[in-house]
Amino acid sequence: QKEVEQNSGPLSVPEGAIASLNCTYSDRGSQSFFWYRQYSGKSPELIMSIYSNGDKEDGRFTAQLNKASQYVSLLIRDSQPSDSATYLCAVNRVGGGNKLTFGTGTQLKVEL
Amino acid sequence: DTEVTQTPKHLVMGMTNKKSLKCEQHMGHRAMYWYKQKAKKPPELMFVYSYEKLSINESVPSRFSPECPNSSLLNLHLHALQPEDSALYLCASSHEQGLGNYGYTFGSGTRLTVV
Repeated sequence: QKEVEQNSGPLSVPEGAIASLNCTYSDRGSQSFFWYRQYSGKSPELIMSIYSNGDKEDGRFTAQLNKASQYVSLLIRDSQPSDSATYLCAVNRVGGGNKLTFGTGTQLKVEL
Repeated sequence: DTEVTQTPKHLVMGMTNKKSLKCEQHMGHRAMYWYKQKAKKPPELMFVYSYEKLSINESVPSRFSPECPNSSLLNLHLHALQPEDSALYLCASSHEQGLGNYGYTFGSGTRLTVV
């Protein structure tokens, strides 16, 4: 079982729709969770971080965490073509120092 | 200054060459990282430096040699690489005392091609 799993996609959504990206993790000791956006050929850029169960909203982005189910998600409202990218879920576990483990990423395509 | 600067942006080297990748940050971060990313794959951790000391080496071949001359600089020395080492090499930095809400700040990467 991979430490961090994501559906590779592509996930296609129409412009203006809500995109829902999902991530599961295997280590119950995981404590902090990050979503990075990566455009093709570019470096990852932090979108959201979340530590506590529940929802965290920032503009059009909402991160959701359910530690009991070992599940974290990212919702993107009013999706724009500029949101088309690969979204990487990253997890940091207790005792893991500052090491981030990344999922394989989900490719999102927002269609006009 | 909220940037991590990596040079060069692109590098083509032969298998017998020696080259170095450089990374610089002025955010006061005391943890710095090297990641390797192949096409359509996630970043893979190579090395972690904490307070200028190597704290994690993810069993990286010795043809990759990291160096942290001071708290702002991180180098990756390359020697006798193989074509399969061609990848995007990412430098990142973070606060040492936990990742907080900010996680890593990544540099723009060096696209390395080994011929």
